[in-house]
Amino acid sequence: RKEVEQDPGPFNVPEGATVAFNCTYSNSASQSFFWYRQDCRKEPKLLMSVYSSGNEDGRFTAQLNRASQYISLLIRDSKLSDSATYLCVVNGAAYKYIFGTGTRLKVLA
Amino acid sequence: EPEVTQTPSHQVTQMGQEVILRCVPISNHLYFYWYRQILGQKVEFLVSFYNNEISEKSEIFDDQFSVERPDGSNFTLKIRSTKLEDSAMYFCASSEQGRNQPQHFGDGTRLSIL
Repeated sequence: RKEVEQDPGPFNVPEGATVAFNCTYSNSASQSFFWYRQDCRKEPKLLMSVYSSGNEDGRFTAQLNRASQYISLLIRDSKLSDSATYLCVVNGAAYKYIFGTGTRLKVLA
Repeated sequence: EPEVTQTPSHQVTQMGQEVILRCVPISNHLYFYWYRQILGQKVEFLVSFYNNEISEKSEIFDDQFSVERPDGSNFTLKIRSTKLEDSAMYFCASSEQGRNQPQHFGDGTRLSIL
């Protein structure tokens, strides 16, 4: 099983749609979870941290399910500017972050 | 908003040469990292650095690589005897603390080995 696994997509959705991504991780001892977004040939940018209780930031909602070892990201009311690759990040050890391969999202006008 | 800065943005080097990639982390951050991303592949951890020493490194980070904090602001990655397969985007990141803290990335150095 890969350390961090994501569906590579692409997910093509119309503007205004709701879209959800899942990510699974293999290390049950992981403590830190994040979603980053990466635009083509750019650096990863922090989208949000993911907490056990779930958290929301505007149109974005992240959930963590420790029992099943997966993380989700929900984007509501998709905008054209949301088109990017969404990276699931989990700590493999204290200071080492493991990135998934990313899920490509394309929001269509 | 404070940011991590990296130089150069693009480095072209002949195979076998040495390169030094430079980073200025966010000023109050204590933990520094290097990652690489080969074109079309995922971001891979190379090394973490705290209190002037390596705290963790991956299997990629072999004797060909070294890191240094030569002064109070810069953090460098040196790659000796470069190979074609070292061609990648190299990202520096920093975090305020180590555990459970998000890492903030610089905009990367594209390294092309010819």
